[in-house]
Amino acid sequence: GEDVEQSLFLSVREGDSSVINCTYTDSSSTYLYWYKQEPGAGLQLLTYIFSNMDMKQDQRLTVLLNKKDKHLSLRIADTQTGDSAIYFCAERRASGGSYIPTFGRGTSLIVHP
Amino acid sequence: DGGITQSPKYLFRKEGQNVTLSCEQNLNHDAMYWYRQDPGQGLRLIYYSQIVNDFQKGDIAEGYSVSREKKESFPLTVTSAQKNPTAFYLCASRSPGTGNTEAFFGQGTRLTVV
Repeated sequence: GEDVEQSLFLSVREGDSSVINCTYTDSSSTYLYWYKQEPGAGLQLLTYIFSNMDMKQDQRLTVLLNKKDKHLSLRIADTQTGDSAIYFCAERRASGGSYIPTFGRGTSLIVHP
Repeated sequence: DGGITQSPKYLFRKEGQNVTLSCEQNLNHDAMYWYRQDPGQGLRLIYYSQIVNDFQKGDIAEGYSVSREKKESFPLTVTSAQKNPTAFYLCASRSPGTGNTEAFFGQGTRLTVV
């Protein structure tokens, strides 16, 4: 199976909350990340969480981590049309003494009026 | 301004040709990565380099080659052996270490075979 799994699509109405879910497999991951990709562009870091935390809040973003179930979620409050993008969950996969950023397939968030 | 630059933004290749995608960073990062992005498949790792003059194959290295002669540069060559090269290619860099070190991405190169 894949290292990091996400659902492919999420559609929400403007002003509602969006919740994007992710599961990962490497239990030794110390940092987990959420990246955002606008159309035709590279990825930009949105937020991250350290593995000894359960929750992290950053303005409209809330990250929840369930380390027992290896489940990560990103909640976007008051979703706006500008939030429409692809969101990637990522972990740092240990490989031969180094770390490789490993990404899920990405969730396309569509925000409609 | 520090950052990571990919060029060109769009690239067209004829069947049987090799093409080279450029990636340059001035962030003083040791580690650099190449990913390929296809619709619905996310980012797949092609090659990575943790230090100058050293690089490792990723999950889909066949048909690609890289070099790392300078810390700032990590060019990717798509060879004629790559049977399905049309994709969006992303280069990234990060500072190695055990602390929180995010990956910084370039803006990508869209390669199309014509």
